[in-house]
Amino acid sequence: AQKVTQAQTEISVVEKEDVTLDCVYETRDTTYYLFWYKQPPSGELVFLIRRNSFDEQNEISGRYSWNFQKSTSSFNFTITASQVVDSAVYFCALKVAGGSYIPTFGRGTSLIVHP
Amino acid sequence: DVKVTQSSRYLVKRTGEKVFLECVQDMDHENMFWYRQDPGLGLRLIYFSYDVKMKEKGDIPEGYSVSREKKERFSLILESASTNQTSMYLCAARDSGSSRNNEQFFGPGTRLTVL
Repeated sequence: AQKVTQAQTEISVVEKEDVTLDCVYETRDTTYYLFWYKQPPSGELVFLIRRNSFDEQNEISGRYSWNFQKSTSSFNFTITASQVVDSAVYFCALKVAGGSYIPTFGRGTSLIVHP
Repeated sequence: DVKVTQSSRYLVKRTGEKVFLECVQDMDHENMFWYRQDPGLGLRLIYFSYDVKMKEKGDIPEGYSVSREKKERFSLILESASTNQTSMYLCAARDSGSSRNNEQFFGPGTRLTVL
C-alpha cells in the first residue's frame, strides 16, 4: 500500500518569505510518479508538477522549486519570495506505475501568505 | 488544456432528496473520478470510471452511485441525501492513453449542503 504524508497542516508566512512544504511518501514499488497540486480559494485543484522515480533531478519553475530525494522518500516544494497569491492548499500525490488507476493523495498543507 | 466543468458551484438540498452532481470534460479523456473533500481529511475517492459504462468503487462509495453513459460525462448520484454528505465534491479527468500515470485535471468543485 502507498502512503503520502504532509505533516504540516497549516503554514503561515509573511510575504517575501521563503517557504517549504514537506511531502514524504511510502511505497514498495520502484517505479512511481509524484505530483503536486495547488488548490486556491476558488476550489479547483491545479496541476503543478509530475516527477517519475527515475528522475531525481530537482526542478525550478520561476519562484517554485521541487527537491526529490529517494534516499529520504521526500518530494518537497519550496516557494521563494512568497506572495499573497500563493495562499492555497497544496496537495502532494503518489501514483505507482501500471496496475491501479488511483493516485494516493496527502491530506494537504494550507499555506497562508500575509501581506 | 482539459476543461472539466461541474454543473453547480453551490447546492443546497434537503435530507432524503435525490441529488445529481454532473461533471463534463471536453478532451475525450478515458478516466474520470469523483472525490469528496472535508477539512482535515483531504481528498477521498468515492468512485472512478476508467471508460464509458465502466465504474469502480473508491474508498467511500456508501450512499453514492455513479453513471457514465457517455465519455465526456460522469454523474454522481446521492440516492437519499443525508447531512453527513455535506461536503465539497470534486470531479477529475485524466488521459490514460498508454499510461495511467498522467496528471489529473480537476473541476471547480460543488459545495453541497444537506439540511
